[in-house]
Amino acid sequence: QSVLTQPPSASGTPGQRVTISCSGSNSNIGSNTVNWYQQLPGTAPKLLIYSNNQRPSGVPDRVSGSKSGTSASLAISGLQSEDEADYYCAAWDDSLNGFYVFGTGTKVTVL
Amino acid sequence: QITLKESGPTVVKPTQTLTLTCTFSGFSLSTSGVGVGWIRQPPGKALEWLAFFYWDDDKRSSPSLKTRLTVTRDTSKNQVVLTLTDMDPVDTATYYCAHRSEYSDSSGFFDYWGQGILVTVSS
Repeated sequence: QSVLTQPPSASGTPGQRVTISCSGSNSNIGSNTVNWYQQLPGTAPKLLIYSNNQRPSGVPDRVSGSKSGTSASLAISGLQSEDEADYYCAAWDDSLNGFYVFGTGTKVTVL
Repeated sequence: QITLKESGPTVVKPTQTLTLTCTFSGFSLSTSGVGVGWIRQPPGKALEWLAFFYWDDDKRSSPSLKTRLTVTRDTSKNQVVLTLTDMDPVDTATYYCAHRSEYSDSSGFFDYWGQGILVTVSS
């Protein structure tokens, strides 16, 4: 079971802003950077944000990430139909000799 | 151009051992900071990290699967191999391999992914 907790769902109308939270602990988010992945239906995940708030080439600047303490957030502004997907946070956890952990996942629906 | 592709059986029987191969190109697993990771996703469920194989031959695996999971590499073939013993129907999932960027910091991140292979465990 995941140690990074996300809301199961989020939604918004086109043009709106959606925020997804990711709650962890001192051993993961509190000590390490956070990454975010987007998974469109039937496809492999894609890196969306790395090192808390960095966007890979090709990811639009309406996507942003932040981290504070043991929590992180992903924000998508100017919501578009192609943003409808599953989103996962992820981080390294320093406990138990170290392991990588994904969040529980959030399904974003564009109404 | 970095590419990765998973290969192996798509159906295994309970108690059997699963062996999956990740064949990659466009990078060297000898480059400092680089790694190959394995991740799986049961149908309709969340992603689950399984293992890392790092450039310096260090390996890490999921605490919950540690006793069943082995990851090795074949340098001559640019391949990383995942072995999971004593398969059970709950291990039915799409298995992905992914490139861990050499620019990774404390957490590490996967910037390239394979297409995934669906493995079904059924008698």
